[in-house]
Amino acid sequence: EAQVTQNPRYLITVTGKKLTVTCSQNMNHEYMSWYRQDPGLGLRQIYYSMNVEVTDKGDVPEGYKVSRKEKRNFPLILESPSPNQTSLYFCASSLLGGGARGELFFGEGSRLTVL
Amino acid sequence: LAKTTQPISMDSYEGQEVNITCSHNNIATNDYITWYQQFPSQGPRFIIQGYKTKVTNEVASLFIPADRKSSTLSLPRVSLSDTAVYYCLVGASGGSYIPTFGRGTSLIVHP
Repeated sequence: EAQVTQNPRYLITVTGKKLTVTCSQNMNHEYMSWYRQDPGLGLRQIYYSMNVEVTDKGDVPEGYKVSRKEKRNFPLILESPSPNQTSLYFCASSLLGGGARGELFFGEGSRLTVL
Repeated sequence: LAKTTQPISMDSYEGQEVNITCSHNNIATNDYITWYQQFPSQGPRFIIQGYKTKVTNEVASLFIPADRKSSTLSLPRVSLSDTAVYYCLVGASGGSYIPTFGRGTSLIVHP
């Protein structure tokens, strides 16, 4: 089954404790990205990757890191999480570009709480 | 990048047709128009995509006038399960395209 898998789905952590949210897709997609969703603000892009070893900042990259060492994986790293990073996070992928042609496939989301 | 404007919220009743319009005045020649649906605490899901005139699938229809400065997502005979947020995106394939979802339109379908 074609899917984007995120882990963990739920996480409560404390300020400053490094964490990684994994994202994996099994569709051989070139494009992958991370979004965060906060009430009243919609979906905002954090980072995106056009292909392996190619990453770039989205609208809200501060406090986050990503890597794209393999085509299927695109982990989101919070080196020193802070309470303002409490949010619902989504990973997405598409065959080409950013989904302008065709579609973006989204994971089920990872709800992160930073105390 | 083409900016989109859509209503923040809409209300409807079961069985009615719902039309959500998205304005994209500075759409470029190569841009496509894509609509997504998002249920609470779930990732957005692709509904439909078009370039011009009309596109129809099993879920919705997309109407795009000749000037392409707007588009209308039409949901026929909505049910309670169509209550969701609907996003309109405009863009073209290529390295410079960053899909921007904005706040979308929150559709509430009443019994």
